[in-house]
Amino acid sequence: EDQVTQSPEALRLQEGESSSLNCSYTVSGLRGLFWYRQDPGKGPEFLFTLYSAGEEKEKERLKATLTKKESFLHITAPKPEDSATYLCAVQAGSADGLTFGKGTHLIIQP
Amino acid sequence: NAGVTQTPKFRVLKTGQSMTLLCAQDMNHEYMYWYRQDPGMGLRLIHYSVGEGTTAKGEVPDGYNVSRLKKQNFLLGLESAAPSQTSVYFCASSEALGVTGELFFGEGSRLTVL
Repeated sequence: EDQVTQSPEALRLQEGESSSLNCSYTVSGLRGLFWYRQDPGKGPEFLFTLYSAGEEKEKERLKATLTKKESFLHITAPKPEDSATYLCAVQAGSADGLTFGKGTHLIIQP
Repeated sequence: NAGVTQTPKFRVLKTGQSMTLLCAQDMNHEYMYWYRQDPGMGLRLIHYSVGEGTTAKGEVPDGYNVSRLKKQNFLLGLESAAPSQTSVYFCASSEALGVTGELFFGEGSRLTVL
């Protein structure tokens, strides 16, 4: 059974305080690992896709990395507008859908 | 651009009532999905479709039915609602996961079953 575990469940940072969110996964035949951002009352919004270990993707203050067992979402000098829930998801080799983790609720305080 | 539109956004049902959630996408995507999101459980796949006229079961399909009669629409039905189906339901669409993995989500439909 495919599993995705995200940690921490919640994280509170000061503006400008860099940190990382973790996503560990167990999947048979990883086709892709995905990061999404979800704001309260909204649907998830796509951020990144990572396909193989060693791959990195960047977007503004966010950088996603992938190893054979986990992915990290690094947030550099965050701003209050980066506050959201960040979701990690995987697609297994034979699956048509994504398996999501429970998310990390990130709060950036001014 | 509308993207993915879900109706209704809010609904309250009594146990045993039936209802249908409608999802419409204007991006000509082949794949469409219904997920439910519950506190502490994350997003779970209910049913999905890989093209017009096709449907398939996801992780938690019991108590739900779906139909994809037109490429742009994906309907989720509850024949006899139960309190356990109180949740936020999200529809999503994609070209095909093997391309970019990007799912486009609607804004959700919040369902309460009393």
